[in-house]
Amino acid sequence: SQQGEEDPQALSIQEGENATMNCSYKTSINNLQWYRQNSGRGLVHLILIRSNEREKHSGRLRVTLDTSKKSSSLLITASRAADTASYFCATDAGTASKLTFGTGTRLQVTL
Amino acid sequence: DGGITQSPKYLFRKEGQNVTLSCEQNLNHDAMYWYRQDPGQGLRLIYYSQIVNDFQKGDIAEGYSVSREKKESFPLTVTSAQKNPTAFYLCASSIDIEGTTEAFFGQGTRLTVV
Repeated sequence: SQQGEEDPQALSIQEGENATMNCSYKTSINNLQWYRQNSGRGLVHLILIRSNEREKHSGRLRVTLDTSKKSSSLLITASRAADTASYFCATDAGTASKLTFGTGTRLQVTL
Repeated sequence: DGGITQSPKYLFRKEGQNVTLSCEQNLNHDAMYWYRQDPGQGLRLIYYSQIVNDFQKGDIAEGYSVSREKKESFPLTVTSAQKNPTAFYLCASSIDIEGTTEAFFGQGTRLTVV
């Protein structure tokens, strides 16, 4: 079964706007990661946040983690058309455990 | 170049046939995974292997088989027992560093039953 559920399933914004997508998970985690997938391609790792961290930044990406609510959010600021992709959260419960992916958010950024 | 390579990119299978999807990595990663992705949906775990000569069933292992005879290779066989095999298959490898697991993905194999 899926560990994570992303919300919304689909998001359409204009270039320059911010995009926020959320991820909820069910069990305790060690880390949470966000991945990006361009249509018909493999996934690419974007950012990782540990369970003892609350916020992390990488370029135009900002990730928050609330372990009490078992949720995370990914914010992409000043979006570009090239950000159009699906975004997935993934969780792991500890060293050498398998990664479990959520259902993904499809982001469409229009000019 | 270091990375993870899946082949072929596109694969067509007749009903009743077994097909094998290749996945090779030269990243020296211990763990490897196979995921299935259906249109507009997330990734579902088929099988994973944390170490050579060992593998575990994921959430949707029925109709699939794997082997892990070498660290670099983790082929997936889609058997005739898999009733709905048309999907996009993704292979990944990962390594644990200081308690974190980051996955590296191949470019996928799109399997179509004709």
